Amino acid sequence: DQQVKQNSPSLSVQEGRISILNCDYTNSMFDYFLWYKKYPAEGPTFLISISSIKDKNEDGRFTVFLNKSAKHLSLHIVPSQPGDSAVYFCAATPTGNQFYFGTGTSLTVIP
Amino acid sequence: ETGVTQSPTHLIKTRGQQVTLRCSSQSGHNTVSWYQQALGQGPQFIFQYYREEENGRGNFPPRFSGLQFPNYSSELNVNALELDDSALYLCASSLFRGRGETQYFGPGTRLLVL
Repeated sequence: DQQVKQNSPSLSVQEGRISILNCDYTNSMFDYFLWYKKYPAEGPTFLISISSIKDKNEDGRFTVFLNKSAKHLSLHIVPSQPGDSAVYFCAATPTGNQFYFGTGTSLTVIP
Repeated sequence: ETGVTQSPTHLIKTRGQQVTLRCSSQSGHNTVSWYQQALGQGPQFIFQYYREEENGRGNFPPRFSGLQFPNYSSELNVNALELDDSALYLCASSLFRGRGETQYFGPGTRLLVL
């Protein structure tokens, strides 16, 4: 039972343009959401998070949007850079201990 | 500030054997969570330890067990290894808040079961 879904396995974007990564969830009890970036042979690196009491959170080039009614969140990267090429995972938790992860989206930023 | 470290980085075992994986949490963190990541999948929660007690468990059989030590480091033990246990095992540490905490991951241990 996949409670967090990333339906796009891969995404290619030109350098300097916007990257939009999407994530859907089914559990209405989720109240904290995170995005992680993962390079090969490394563990996931925390990028940005958002609490369910907000609908937007920004950190530099990264912005996460949360639409609770649609059970949807997205990560915007502007402008995209070649170093952003990695696999991106969204994660959600209802309690703070058990995190549910999506299957990841592989982002390629083309120079 | 020291990040999350895991050992060993790679391991090869045969079916039926037992394995112990180790994790040192980030300084200042008191909670350790373990995840299994199969190829092409996202990390799957195994369990979490807080104050040396199990604080939540995912859908994994009892042959997956763990320990947390007073210095907040942790071990994951897997008995009677099966071929499907081949995966990347990730450890994540956090500062327990009850909700809204961020978990920080180590580089993982890649286990291959033959």
